[in-house]
Amino acid sequence: SQQGEEDPQALSIQEGENATMNCSYKTSINNLQWYRQNSGRGLVHLILIRSNEREKHSGRLRVTLDTSKKSSSLLITASRAADTASYFCATDERNQGGKLIFGQGTELSVKP
Amino acid sequence: DTAVSQTPKYLVTQMGNDKSIKCEQNLGHDTMYWYKQDSKKFLKIMFSYNNKELIINETVPNRFSPKSPDKAHLNLHINSLELGDSAVYFCASSQLAGRGEQYFGPGTRLTVT
Repeated sequence: SQQGEEDPQALSIQEGENATMNCSYKTSINNLQWYRQNSGRGLVHLILIRSNEREKHSGRLRVTLDTSKKSSSLLITASRAADTASYFCATDERNQGGKLIFGQGTELSVKP
Repeated sequence: DTAVSQTPKYLVTQMGNDKSIKCEQNLGHDTMYWYKQDSKKFLKIMFSYNNKELIINETVPNRFSPKSPDKAHLNLHINSLELGDSAVYFCASSQLAGRGEQYFGPGTRLTVT
């Protein structure tokens, strides 16, 4: 079943601006993860937030998780042209053997 | 050093053929996965193996058969290829099932004509 729903589907910003992407899901989770995919490449893991955490930072990335609303957001601060990629949230559902359910992704375009 | 590698990177074949995609990870991980990404970039899990044992088998046609000769390798064999099988197939691995991030291979773009 498709779990994550992301919005916006596409986001275009100028270098230096912040980018915010949102993800909603439907069931109980162990953790929620964000991945980046550059065009024609595999996915790269960015950050993982556990179900008992509310916020996490990694460099220019900030992730929040609201389990009561079953939603998460990814904020990329001071964006760069190199951040242009597709960003996916993925939920690790409870008792599902580590199966990740991916959202449909947000295509981020950062213009120099 | 490549952590998760897949071969081939591109595969073009005709309907009805049988083909295999190979995956290897050198991370010492116990769990490996196959995902399918369609033309709209939707990514869906197909199979997962933990230490050579099948633990996840999503609703995938029987024409798809994974094989894990050892915990560092997970191959995907596809029989009687159909046009709808055209997609990018990604292999991934994680240290343990359900324990954190997954590391993805570069993908195999399969085109069935």
